[in-house]
Amino acid sequence: AQTVTQSQPEMSVQEAETVTLSCTYDTSESDYYLFWYKQPPSRQMILVIRQEAYKQQNATENRFSVNFQKAAKSFSLKISDSQLGDAAMYFCAYRSGLASNTGKLIFGQGTTLQVKP
Amino acid sequence: DTAVSQTPKYLVTQMGNDKSIKCEQNLGHDTMYWYKQDSKKFLKIMFSYNNKELIINETVPNRFSPKSPDKAHLNLHINSLELGDSAVYFCASSQDTGLPQPQHFGDGTRLSIL
Repeated sequence: AQTVTQSQPEMSVQEAETVTLSCTYDTSESDYYLFWYKQPPSRQMILVIRQEAYKQQNATENRFSVNFQKAAKSFSLKISDSQLGDAAMYFCAYRSGLASNTGKLIFGQGTTLQVKP
Repeated sequence: DTAVSQTPKYLVTQMGNDKSIKCEQNLGHDTMYWYKQDSKKFLKIMFSYNNKELIINETVPNRFSPKSPDKAHLNLHINSLELGDSAVYFCASSQDTGLPQPQHFGDGTRLSIL
């Protein structure tokens, strides 16, 4: 079975600085997708970024980028120029690429990010 | 124009009662999900429906019964509520035909059992 591990329960960053959140996963599959979701205090689950395992290039979305290391099964999220609105809980998630495993996400434990002004 | 909407947002009820949570998506997606987020914020899949057909049922007690009247709706009915059912329940949807798309989540329903 696949597992996702976020080893940092809490992180903090100074406004305008850069922070990296760690995520490792375990799978025997070669085709899969990885995601980072943000959950602010409002409780919404907001997609931050996605990465397809078959793509070697790291995904980027504005200030958010990932470092995808397939061999090491590592998928870290880098937030540049941190803003107060980035404060939230961040979840790493795995989705199998197998058609029989229709879409379910396997989540890590989450990392709470505090942004200091 | 909310994409995935859940009702109610908050539900407070007594142990032993039966309650339902409704979910609707207007994205035209073919797959819908229920996730449970416990008090430690851990999120876990409960059910998945694809075009009204049950695809995933993850060792959830049979007191929980999902119902999908059409592919835009996936409701969750819970019988004989227990203290351990207190959690936030999230509905989500995605388009899984062709290249899988990310899941869109509702705002969650916080269920509190007294």
